[in-house]
Amino acid sequence: KQEVTQIPAALSVPEGENLVLNCSFTDSAIYNLQWFRQDPGKGLTSLLLIQSSQREQTSGRLNASLDKSSGRSTLYIAASQPGDSATYLCAVSNDYKLSFGAGTTVTVRA
Amino acid sequence: NAGVTQTPKFRVLKTGQSMTLLCAQDMNHEYMYWYRQDPGMGLRLIHYSVGEGTTAKGEVPDGYNVSRLKKQNFLLGLESAAPSQTSVYFCASSPGLVTEAFFGQGTRLTVV
Repeated sequence: KQEVTQIPAALSVPEGENLVLNCSFTDSAIYNLQWFRQDPGKGLTSLLLIQSSQREQTSGRLNASLDKSSGRSTLYIAASQPGDSATYLCAVSNDYKLSFGAGTTVTVRA
Repeated sequence: NAGVTQTPKFRVLKTGQSMTLLCAQDMNHEYMYWYRQDPGMGLRLIHYSVGEGTTAKGEVPDGYNVSRLKKQNFLLGLESAAPSQTSVYFCASSPGLVTEAFFGQGTRLTVV
């Protein structure tokens, strides 16, 4: 069974600091890994999708890396802003489904 | 573009009552999923479907049933609601295994 872990569970940083969010998974036979953002009381918004054959993916201030062999992914958010405050979830795709971590809740202080 | 639409957004049920949650997607996706989200536990898969007329159990299927009679719709049923089913339910769809998943806005269900 795929187990996905996100550390830390919560993170508080001053505005402008770079964010580093970690995700690890136990079964490396994945199709892809996806990072999501969730605002309180809202649904999930997809941020980045990394295919299993890729090492990283970038979108604006966001960069996600994937090391499939070691079962790890890292989401970097450059120059954080208060609007980046949210919960970030990673999910891996294998065996016909997505398996989620519990998320990292980020607070960016102005 | 509506994407993935869940109905209803909120619902309060009494223990033992039944209800159906509707998920509709307009992207012609083959795969559809129902998840529940509970504090500190992340999203857990209830049931999923890999195409019209197919359904399969996920991690936590007990107490739920599903149907996928039409490709665009995936229904989640609670036959006899229990307080343990108080949760936020999310529906998702994707074109296939290696593609991006899209989520609905969620249904907040309270069973009293």
